[in-house]
Amino acid sequence: GQQVMQIPQYQHVQEGEDFTTYCNSSTTLSNIQWYKQRPGGHPVFLIQLVKSGEVKKQKRLTFQFGEAKKNSSLHITATQTTDVGTYFCAGYSGSARQLTFGSGTQLTVLP
Amino acid sequence: DGGITQSPKYLFRKEGQNVTLSCEQNLNHDAMYWYRQDPGQGLRLIYYSQIVNDFQKGDIAEGYSVSREKKESFPLTVTSAQKNPTAFYLCASSVLLAASIYEQYFGPGTRLTVT
Repeated sequence: GQQVMQIPQYQHVQEGEDFTTYCNSSTTLSNIQWYKQRPGGHPVFLIQLVKSGEVKKQKRLTFQFGEAKKNSSLHITATQTTDVGTYFCAGYSGSARQLTFGSGTQLTVLP
Repeated sequence: DGGITQSPKYLFRKEGQNVTLSCEQNLNHDAMYWYRQDPGQGLRLIYYSQIVNDFQKGDIAEGYSVSREKKESFPLTVTSAQKNPTAFYLCASSVLLAASIYEQYFGPGTRLTVT
């Protein structure tokens, strides 16, 4: 079945440093979504990428979808303590008809 | 206020007992989902439903059962057959189109502890 791998599992950064998490799918995706889960909270939708090679920005967050639609990345510039949480990618393929979540990257930002 | 509600937030049960987790949404979404999250892990799909009176098994359906009698409600029963039921359970809903999928809205979750 469809598998979505995400690395790294954990990342500690000093406030102000950049952060990147990577997502790779075993199959071609129709789209990919990114979610953020704060400690003790529930996942909250951040963005969806649909087109091959698509790049979207949300303030300090940059999301990319690979040309082959099998990988994606989330980059945060100049992290802040409010960025703390676990970031999940989730891929959707028409054949699977369900979202498959990556294992997440837990980000810790040290003040 | 539109959203998804799950109750209770914390639930404690003795081993061997069945327990039902509630999930209600007033977003008028067709699709609803149940996920399980274990510490340090991602979300694993238990069951999902795209329409009333229909549901499909996800990746880890064994030991769980669901019903979808109303569009707004998708309760999950954790049966005694589930070998490791202690986990954080998340319910979600979304608009669903034939060729794609929209974002999922998650409820606050129920943390189930079985001893």
